[in-house]
Amino acid sequence: DAGVIQSPRHEVTEMGQEVTLRCKPISGHNSLFWYRQTMMRGLELLIYFNNNVPIDDSGMPEDRFSAKMPNASFSTLKIQPSEPRDSAVYFCASTPGHEQYFGPGTRLTVT
Amino acid sequence: EDQVTQSPEALRLQEGESSSLNCSYTVSGLRGLFWYRQDPGKGPEFLFTLYSAGEEKEKERLKATLTKKESFLHITAPKPEDSATYLCAAINFGNEKLTFGTGTRLTIIP
Repeated sequence: DAGVIQSPRHEVTEMGQEVTLRCKPISGHNSLFWYRQTMMRGLELLIYFNNNVPIDDSGMPEDRFSAKMPNASFSTLKIQPSEPRDSAVYFCASTPGHEQYFGPGTRLTVT
Repeated sequence: EDQVTQSPEALRLQEGESSSLNCSYTVSGLRGLFWYRQDPGKGPEFLFTLYSAGEEKEKERLKATLTKKESFLHITAPKPEDSATYLCAAINFGNEKLTFGTGTRLTIIP
């Protein structure tokens, strides 16, 4: 199995631009999680889906952030408009039960 | 609110020098306690899940233990390749969310 796949691995964009991060979970895993990691705050859960349905988005920082999971094999996290404080590493993780398996992350830099 | 606290923040050991990392948790109804390893530039890698006090799990030089208030990750005779950040996380019976600690950055000096 290829594991959780994320793209792009690195994204550099200017403030105000739209950013879309993509995730392909491990086949057969029914839950998907989006996290953000910074030095200051560590790993923060943004949103998670169960069977493609958003269950808890209380960690989404503001309306500029949105996430979708149109099918069991694909999810997106969109930031519009992006701001410098959004610079972080964004991880996607999937799980068949409790143990979460993480992707390699997308390093986002907003200038 | 669930909380997970790890100590120390950073630990430097000589190769072969055994030690333990601590993870204390305050969770309403612990369903599971997880340990992850994270290398620079990579995502967290799952190591262990512990479900009940007294449980132990081992993998190579690592052994994880669980009590009612904390978990320990014991590292025996570590090697430089064990250098990484070790993250602890807890999940309660109320939902599927993991609450992560801020990690212990472990450096093993040859």
